[in-house]
Amino acid sequence: QVQLQQWGAGLLKPSGTLSLTCAVYGGSFTGYYWSWIRQPPGKGLEWIGEINHSGTTNYNPSLKSRVTLSVDTSKNQFSLKLRSVTAADTAVYYCVREDCSAGTCSHFDSWGQGTLVTVSS
Amino acid sequence: EIVLTQSPGTLSLSPGERATLSCRASQSLSSSYLAWYQQKPGQAPRLLIYGASSRATGIPDRFSGSGSGTDFTLTITRLKPEDFAVYYCQQYGSSPPGYTFGQGTKLEIK
Repeated sequence: QVQLQQWGAGLLKPSGTLSLTCAVYGGSFTGYYWSWIRQPPGKGLEWIGEINHSGTTNYNPSLKSRVTLSVDTSKNQFSLKLRSVTAADTAVYYCVREDCSAGTCSHFDSWGQGTLVTVSS
Repeated sequence: EIVLTQSPGTLSLSPGERATLSCRASQSLSSSYLAWYQQKPGQAPRLLIYGASSRATGIPDRFSGSGSGTDFTLTITRLKPEDFAVYYCQQYGSSPPGYTFGQGTKLEIK
């Protein structure tokens, strides 16, 4: 049973850089895409981007200019950096595994515990 | 970008009743790329249905999904107290690659 454990700073000042890391335990790291999803307090879910073990990435166009995803296959970890944050970036951030068993990755079957990131001066 | 619109925004029902939640897409999408999630307060979402109608591992058979094209439905029969939560639909698009979610339907106890 795969487990995703995430960590990172929970309080940032405006214009700073959000940085989160997610470690994958108990399952294969290759053969999947790994995503970040966020959820502002009391609101819905927003996909941020995805990366695979080779470092191939896709980003949400609305965030693409500020986001960088990276991967460390030696540690089965992947990371999120979001630059120039504002209060609008305050949200719970989740790391997630995409299910690619049907040949195309199309949904999310395992989630991290979530990290609340607050942007405030 | 495909936009998903869920209705109703809030659904008030009693335990034992049947819930019907709707997800409408702004353009036709492959049934293979439509999923449903359940989220309870303070928890991460949980996958219920993928491929529009396939139940995820461990999901009871009172949850079912249907639909095609632009109209998709999540049905929950014989509601139990633990089913009251927020439900999201989600689609995957390949050009450009990415995911979008509906705004959610809150299922509350009447």
